[in-house]
Amino acid sequence: SQTIHQWPATLVQPVGSPLSLECTVEGTSNPNLYWYRQAAGRGLQLLFYSVGIGQISSEVPQNLSASRPQDRQFILSSKKLLLSDSGFYLCAWNDGAYNEQFFGPGTRLTVL
Amino acid sequence: GNSVTQMEGPVTLSEEAFLTINCTYTATGYPSLFWYVQYPGEGLQLLLKATKADDKGSNKGFEATYRKETTSFHLEKGSVQVSDSAVYFCALTRLNTGNQFYFGTGTSLTVIP
Repeated sequence: SQTIHQWPATLVQPVGSPLSLECTVEGTSNPNLYWYRQAAGRGLQLLFYSVGIGQISSEVPQNLSASRPQDRQFILSSKKLLLSDSGFYLCAWNDGAYNEQFFGPGTRLTVL
Repeated sequence: GNSVTQMEGPVTLSEEAFLTINCTYTATGYPSLFWYVQYPGEGLQLLLKATKADDKGSNKGFEATYRKETTSFHLEKGSVQVSDSAVYFCALTRLNTGNQFYFGTGTSLTVIP
């Protein structure tokens, strides 16, 4: 069966520090991968999606970047965090066999 | 373009009350429609889905019917429980490049005993 992992689960970082959040998927090949952000009391904002290794599409210009170094690994990064980067970050995947998105457990990021 | 509009929250109901959360969509062609649920501190879980007009998705006592004529996919439950307290998201997708999903802003539901 397929599973999706995210880490860390929670993170507290100072303004101006770097960020690296990791997402990995098991049990499937060549998934479409997504990063979403959910600010407090807000809906989901799609940040990046990827249809293959090295292929990244950005939905919203911002302080963040994404990379996909391996087929089932998706990384969200920042060189210098802003206060506004605080939120709940969700990774998700789907593939052609399943007409739905599967979400990871999320990472709670607090920037102080 | 593609978009989803859902009822503003928060919604507070007493246990055993009837629930409706409205969702309407804009999309070209024939999208698939979804309801996801998010319990506190967790990721999103699929609650139910419908892939074509007049389909009814159902799960855990929740139901939603794909109404193409009104471009709607309203979520209903006849008798809510305290354990149904969560945030509910309506979403659509079309099978295009990247299989992008479009989510509503979410509706927070609190059920009180």
